[in-house]
Amino acid sequence: QKEVEQNSGPLSVPEGAIASLNCTYSDRGSQSFFWYRQYSGKSPELIMFIYSNGDKEDGRFTAQLNKASQYVSLLIRDSQPSDSATYLCAVNQGWYSSASKIIFGSGTRLSIRP
Amino acid sequence: EAGVVQSPRYKIIEKKQPVAFWCNPISGHNTLYWYLQNLGQGPELLIRYENEEAVDDSQLPKDRFSAERLKGVDSTLKIQPAELGDSAVYLCASSLSAGDRVGEQYFGPGTRLTVT
Repeated sequence: QKEVEQNSGPLSVPEGAIASLNCTYSDRGSQSFFWYRQYSGKSPELIMFIYSNGDKEDGRFTAQLNKASQYVSLLIRDSQPSDSATYLCAVNQGWYSSASKIIFGSGTRLSIRP
Repeated sequence: EAGVVQSPRYKIIEKKQPVAFWCNPISGHNTLYWYLQNLGQGPELLIRYENEEAVDDSQLPKDRFSAERLKGVDSTLKIQPAELGDSAVYLCASSLSAGDRVGEQYFGPGTRLTVT
């Protein structure tokens, strides 16, 4: 079992719809969770982070965390063609700097069709 | 504010040759990471520094890879000798060391290495 699992996609969503990206993790002690966006040929860019159970909204993006189910998701509202990219889920398995271990998933490729 | 700087951006070498990558993190970021990313995969950690100290190098193939961060700022990753399987993108990232912010990483543009 991979430590951080994502569906590789591609996930195809019509423009203007909600894109839902999911991620599960295996380490129950994981404390913080991150979503990175990576355009083709570019490096990852941090777009959201969430530390507590529940929802966190930032513009068109909403991160959702359920620690009991070991599940984190990213919702993108009003999807735009510019949202087409690979979305990487990353999990911090430690809390303090000295114990932190950031594990990335393999990413979900999202395609927004006009 | 300047981002993470990496050089070179591209490198093509023959197998068994040495290669080195350089990274300068964001000013004030004490934590520096080197990652390897293969096509279709997420970044895989090679080594993490807190200031000058390598605090996690468990995934670094030490028979051929080495890294240093002598003054706690910029860092160099070296491969000697390179193998065909080392072809990948090598990413450098930095973050603040404070608590949970260690996961908020900022990546450089990466170095695409091709070993022939």
